[in-house]
Amino acid sequence: AQSVAQPEDQVNVAEGNPLTVKCTYSVSGNPYLFWYVQYPNRGLQFLLKYITGDNLVKGSYGFEAEFNKSQTSFHLKKPSALVSDSALYFCAVRQTGGSYIPTFGRGTSLIVHP
Amino acid sequence: ETGVTQSPTHLIKTRGQQVTLRCSSQSGHNTVSWYQQALGQGPQFIFQYYREEENGRGNFPPRFSGLQFPNYSSELNVNALELDDSALYLCASSLDLTSGTYNEQFFGPGTRLTVL
Repeated sequence: AQSVAQPEDQVNVAEGNPLTVKCTYSVSGNPYLFWYVQYPNRGLQFLLKYITGDNLVKGSYGFEAEFNKSQTSFHLKKPSALVSDSALYFCAVRQTGGSYIPTFGRGTSLIVHP
Repeated sequence: ETGVTQSPTHLIKTRGQQVTLRCSSQSGHNTVSWYQQALGQGPQFIFQYYREEENGRGNFPPRFSGLQFPNYSSELNVNALELDDSALYLCASSLDLTSGTYNEQFFGPGTRLTVL
């Protein structure tokens, strides 16, 4: 079975500071990994994905994530946070091949203070 | 904004009733997935339709059923509603997941279902 853990329910950061939202996963074989963002009363918006290749993945709005196979982690990062980054962030995993069913984490609320 | 639309935006039903939710996929997409997002939780996969056929199903009972139409729009039907069915229901469209390459999913804004 595959699973995703987002160990922090909430992350607080000051505007202009770097931010990290943590994600660890468990899956059989190689993973496909994703980050989505959800603003209030909205659907999820795709930020970035890791399929294969470089471990550092760059995505939308200045976000990036680093795939670490040995630590089974895929943490989301941004060098300088904006107040407008405040939202709910979801990490998701899917196994390569086989079932196409993705598993989402419970989400991390990011709050960026002015 | 994605090109995925859902209707209605909000819906209130009573226990035991039936409900149909609708999703219009983004132009050019042939795969639709449905998710249930309970309050404070991540989306839970219900099922996926690829070219009008169910292509995968999560851990949901048979009273959750769906359809995909030739224009790739989709419906989610839930019979015998229970209080725990109260949630945000999300539809996501993508292009040809079963080709073996993965294309990201584009989510609609969701339908908020409340069961009283």
